[in-house]
Amino acid sequence: DTEVTQTPKHLVMGMTNKKSLKCEQHMGHRAMYWYKQKAKKPPELMFVYSYEKLSINESVPSRFSPECPNSSLLNLHLHALQPEDSALYLCASSQGRGENTEAFFGQGTRLTVV
Amino acid sequence: AQSVTQLDSHVSVSEGTPVLLRCNYSSSYSPSLFWYVQHPNKGLQLLLKYTSAATLVKGINGFEAEFKKSETSFHLTKPSAHMSDAAEYFCVVRYTGGFKTIFGAGTRLFVKA
Repeated sequence: DTEVTQTPKHLVMGMTNKKSLKCEQHMGHRAMYWYKQKAKKPPELMFVYSYEKLSINESVPSRFSPECPNSSLLNLHLHALQPEDSALYLCASSQGRGENTEAFFGQGTRLTVV
Repeated sequence: AQSVTQLDSHVSVSEGTPVLLRCNYSSSYSPSLFWYVQHPNKGLQLLLKYTSAATLVKGINGFEAEFKKSETSFHLTKPSAHMSDAAEYFCVVRYTGGFKTIFGAGTRLFVKA
């Protein structure tokens, strides 16, 4: 199984809403990632978890709150988002860090903030 | 400093003709290099990776790439384009010993019938 599963596929939320994005992998990978991708741009790294601990936060606003409940799951909690946060949010996982540890990506959640 | 440059923002080919997508990297160390493909509104799929075991890397769907250290290049090729190859392609460099990856700006491949 080389799948990273993200739910929901699409999400529309108001600026006062609270919602969560979910990501799951069963490849035994110990690193998990959140990326944000705007139209016609490459993905931008947001967060990295390694062994269920937050390893990298790329100065992401606090209205995005990641959580890694266990080695297979990764959540992204959303609160008080702005319309400019509308984007494709991609989850990825890898065996670890360093060379030759390619990342496997999910299909993404298309988020629209209204 | 590490960086990745994809030399063409758009490439257009006819079906059945060769594909060449160009990528140059800058790295102080021996890099890990990858090519990913992204179809519209989809996630990224790994096409191939450079593992330092062989300079010519074969990937899925008939794609291959050649690592040329002297030219700091990792160009992606395919002998014969298919309509289903139309997508966005990203060249990616990964830091040795770290989690961060650097994405190129992407190359949109158009395939004409």
